[in-house]
Amino acid sequence: GNSVTQMEGPVTLSEEAFLTINCTYTATGYPSLFWYVQYPGEGLQLLLKATKADDKGSNKGFEATYRKETTSFHLEKGSVQVSDSAVYFCALGGTSYGKLTFGQGTILTVHP
Amino acid sequence: GAVVSQHPSWVICKSGTSVKIECRSLDFQATTMFWYRQFPKQSLMLMATSNEGSKATYEQGVEKDKFLINHASLTLSTLTVTSAHPEDSSFYICSARLGGTNNEQFFGPGTRLTVL
Repeated sequence: GNSVTQMEGPVTLSEEAFLTINCTYTATGYPSLFWYVQYPGEGLQLLLKATKADDKGSNKGFEATYRKETTSFHLEKGSVQVSDSAVYFCALGGTSYGKLTFGQGTILTVHP
Repeated sequence: GAVVSQHPSWVICKSGTSVKIECRSLDFQATTMFWYRQFPKQSLMLMATSNEGSKATYEQGVEKDKFLINHASLTLSTLTVTSAHPEDSSFYICSARLGGTNNEQFFGPGTRLTVL
């Protein structure tokens, strides 16, 4: 079956530091890949997505590239801000009604 | 953009009572809606997939008689927690899918349920 593995957190960074959150997946077929962000007390928001191999999703300075050969979709940002503090979820979209399989989430805290 | 709302945003109820949570897609029609449960500091656990006009498909281990799901229209799905117990206290999140080949889901803000 489908599964998503994220790097364990929490991750604590200083403002303007480089961020990488690793995500690897196991899936049959050709899934879509997503990063969702959950700010404190709020629901999930789509951060970026990629629908096929070698696609790069980007939004708000965050990037992730769909790597089929390494089954990975690592999230990166060159310079984080305090406002990026949130929980980040990697997810895989299957073909059964578009069901999403989520990773366990990574808590990011950015200090001034 | 596609907006999904949930009501109520939080609810406190006594043990043994039933609670209904609504999920609405405000500016699009959603043939498929999903209900998730999120425990503190944990990921989302898919409870069921709800298709308009048909019975919901429940994930393994989720009691269908306890978590009643109704998807009566293309913009509304409801989750009723029946005979709630303290262990049902959780954050319940719904999402709606645009459909077709687009797998993107749009999430509601969640409902915090506390059972006393």
